Amino acid sequence: DAKTTQPTSMDCAEGRAANLPCNHSTISGNEYVYWYRQIHSQGPQYIIHGLKNNETNEMASLIITEDRKSSTLILPHATLRDTAVYYCIVSSSGNTGKLIFGQGTTLQVKP
Amino acid sequence: GAGVSQSPSNKVTEKGKDVELRCDPISGHTALYWYRQSLGQGLEFLIYFQGNSAPDKSGLPSDRFSAERTGGSVSTLTIQRTQQEDSAVYLCASSPHYNYNEQFFGPGTRLTVL
Repeated sequence: DAKTTQPTSMDCAEGRAANLPCNHSTISGNEYVYWYRQIHSQGPQYIIHGLKNNETNEMASLIITEDRKSSTLILPHATLRDTAVYYCIVSSSGNTGKLIFGQGTTLQVKP
Repeated sequence: GAGVSQSPSNKVTEKGKDVELRCDPISGHTALYWYRQSLGQGLEFLIYFQGNSAPDKSGLPSDRFSAERTGGSVSTLTIQRTQQEDSAVYLCASSPHYNYNEQFFGPGTRLTVL
């Protein structure tokens, strides 16, 4: 599976949009982009995934560039409860679920 | 519905003792995974079970670690002769058959080896 690169940390003001970038320049055609987050002292939580089209659900939006080499997770109105480590993972649809978690981005939402 | 549950939530043991960690996956999920997370580190894959297939044990760090999944449901991770470097949070996840990458995690078991 392709590797991903994310900034180590980011800050965001409460109520503003949080935009978390991820680079995956070696992604291959059958690989999806997945986002998880881990709030302190909890297990990771699935957020969203996509292949090439932009996706939106009740938690977030995922914007994938046309060349699929990078993506951005958007939390439209960040709250203090969104403070967490956010992981961007690339995995193929045929993957057996052996997810490879990197170091992720620590998002700090500030009042 | 009920999520993934793990027990115990905390376990303190002495070096050299054996421990068993339990995971109850979401009902109907065909795949089950074990990960561990050492202090300040990312998640490390250990083992997964998928239906009736042989488990993928490629992430187990040593032969002191083993896991089983009985009846396609509950799983137990066993660590024999624990060492201090085994101290970590052990996380279990399960996923439905239609997307193994969409995993639902339990709260974890914090293991401390003295």
